[in-house]
Amino acid sequence: AQSVTQPDIHITVSEGASLELRCNYSYGATPYLFWYVQSPGQGLQLLLKYFSGDTLVQGIKGFEAEFKRSQSSFNLRKPSVHWSDAAEYFCAVGSDYKLSFGAGTTVTVRA
Amino acid sequence: KAGVTQTPRYLIKTRGQQVTLSCSPISGHRSVSWYQQTPGQGLQFLFEYFSETQRNKGNFPGRFSGRQFSNSRSEMNVSTLELGDSALYLCASSLAGGSRYNEQFFGPGTRLTVL
Repeated sequence: AQSVTQPDIHITVSEGASLELRCNYSYGATPYLFWYVQSPGQGLQLLLKYFSGDTLVQGIKGFEAEFKRSQSSFNLRKPSVHWSDAAEYFCAVGSDYKLSFGAGTTVTVRA
Repeated sequence: KAGVTQTPRYLIKTRGQQVTLSCSPISGHRSVSWYQQTPGQGLQFLFEYFSETQRNKGNFPGRFSGRQFSNSRSEMNVSTLELGDSALYLCASSLAGGSRYNEQFFGPGTRLTVL
């Protein structure tokens, strides 16, 4: 069965600093991978997705992620965070008409 | 194009009652999925519907049920509510082509509180 692990529950980063969120997946075939962001009281917004092809994918809000099959990872990065990036981030793998999510990483941005 | 809409946004019920939540997908989307989000269990898949047929179901008791109508709108029902059913219920829609997975777009959720 597919699963996703996000090792970091909470990350604090200074505004303007870089951000990297880790995601490891377990899936037998080529995975469909996603990063979603959730602000308090809101639904999930898709940041980016990987289905196939180029392993470095660009998303919205200046985010990018790199798929590494050898490490079963799909880490999310942003070169310079803004205060508005404070939110909870979820990595997910898609299969059999559903998404399986990681536990999420809460990002706090300090001034 | 309007996004996924969910009604109601907030709901308060008491134990033993039942509740029905509604979801309208993005126009043209034929697949609707439901997820439960709680602080303890995170985001968990409930079920997915396409053309009024359930194609996949998560590991939830039979008290949780759903259906999809011919216009792709979906409802989920929870009977005999328990305190642990308090959660944010998220609906997502997708185009649902031939692939076994398609990109999903989420609604704002319905916050259910069971007292």
